[in-house]
Amino acid sequence: EVQLVETGGGLIQPGGSLRLSCAASGFSVSNNYMNWVRQAPGRGLEWVSVFYSGSSTSYADSVKGRFTISRDNSKNTLYLQMNSLRAEDTAIYYCARGARYGSGEDWFDPWGQGTLVTVSS
Amino acid sequence: QSALTQPASVSGSPGQSITISCTGTSSDVGGYNYVSWYQQHPGKAPKLMIYDVSNRPSGVSDRFSGSKSGNTASLTISGLQAEDEADYYCCSYTSSTTWMFGGGTKLTVL
Repeated sequence: EVQLVETGGGLIQPGGSLRLSCAASGFSVSNNYMNWVRQAPGRGLEWVSVFYSGSSTSYADSVKGRFTISRDNSKNTLYLQMNSLRAEDTAIYYCARGARYGSGEDWFDPWGQGTLVTVSS
Repeated sequence: QSALTQPASVSGSPGQSITISCTGTSSDVGGYNYVSWYQQHPGKAPKLMIYDVSNRPSGVSDRFSGSKSGNTASLTISGLQAEDEADYYCCSYTSSTTWMFGGGTKLTVL
């Protein structure tokens, strides 16, 4: 069964740092686009970042320069290092598997259960 | 990077059909056949319902269908059922190798 489990969320002060982890099972993270998507309380979904094709990455403008996505193939785990956190980064952070490289498809499936990050003093 | 435009809410009675629109630009929805739709029930993670504009993953009811015309994609749900009541989000790949979601549509089954 394909599964994603996020950990690492919590309460952090503005300006602080946090690292989220997404442990994958049932497939290899090295074969798929791997994404982070967030959802602020009561708000819609916002795509955050993707790791793909060896070592390529992309970020939403709202987090560029502050967040870093990475992957450890040996642990089959995706990470999101979040620095210089702001109140507006408060959200549930979901890990979502994307399509396999070269498949010509585009989707996010499955999604993890999410981990809550609260940025507040 | 602003969100794709979706209606805030739609409603329908059991058995009826509804359509949710998702409007973008030629740099996202109109430029690629990479539009997907997600269903989210309260307190739950989103679930993939449609991908690549009109493809349905295995296990998703054939009451759900997708289409696109120009810069606007649409999700149609036929034979509405009570369990369809949820939030629905569209998503599109963009020319910047990023992805963009719609603002979300709350579906109420009357």
